[in-house]
Amino acid sequence: AQSVTQLDSQVPVFEEAPVELRCNYSSSVSVYLFWYVQYPNQGLQLLLKYLSGSTLVESINGFEAEFNKSQTSFHLRKPSVHISDTAEYFCAVNRGSNYKLTFGKGTLLTVNP
Amino acid sequence: DVKVTQSSRYLVKRTGEKVFLECVQDMDHENMFWYRQDPGLGLRLIYFSYDVKMKEKGDIPEGYSVSREKKERFSLILESASTNQTSMYLCASSQQGAEAFFGQGTRLTVV
Repeated sequence: AQSVTQLDSQVPVFEEAPVELRCNYSSSVSVYLFWYVQYPNQGLQLLLKYLSGSTLVESINGFEAEFNKSQTSFHLRKPSVHISDTAEYFCAVNRGSNYKLTFGKGTLLTVNP
Repeated sequence: DVKVTQSSRYLVKRTGEKVFLECVQDMDHENMFWYRQDPGLGLRLIYFSYDVKMKEKGDIPEGYSVSREKKERFSLILESASTNQTSMYLCASSQQGAEAFFGQGTRLTVV
């Protein structure tokens, strides 16, 4: 079975500070990894994904995540956050050809002025 | 752009009612999913379908059933709504092995 652990349920930071949202997964086979973002009163939007190839993946709004197979992690980072980044972030894993997408419990990122 | 449409944003139903939540996707995706989202618990998979008329239980199927008669439509049915089914329900679709696209969600309140 696959599972996802997001180590922090809430992360408060000040504007322009760096942030890291942690995600670890468990799976005995190769996986696809995703980060989704949910702004208040909205559905989930894909932020970035790792399917294969380069272990460092980037989004268009400055977030990046690195797939670390030995540590089974896929942490999300941004060097300088904005107030508009305030949202809940979900890490998810899909076991290759498996249909099932398993989510972590989410991390609420609050960016304060 | 992929569009996943859920029929209602907000619903209020009475205990014991049969409730239908509808979801339609327009990208010919094979896979469709129903999740419920609760504070502190993240998204939990109720049911998913990988083809027309095919379905599999997720992590929390009790009290729910689903129907997929056409590829683009996936319905979630609460046979007899209870107050503990008050939640946000999210529908999603995907191609096999790729990212899922989500609808805006239906906030269901059972009174």
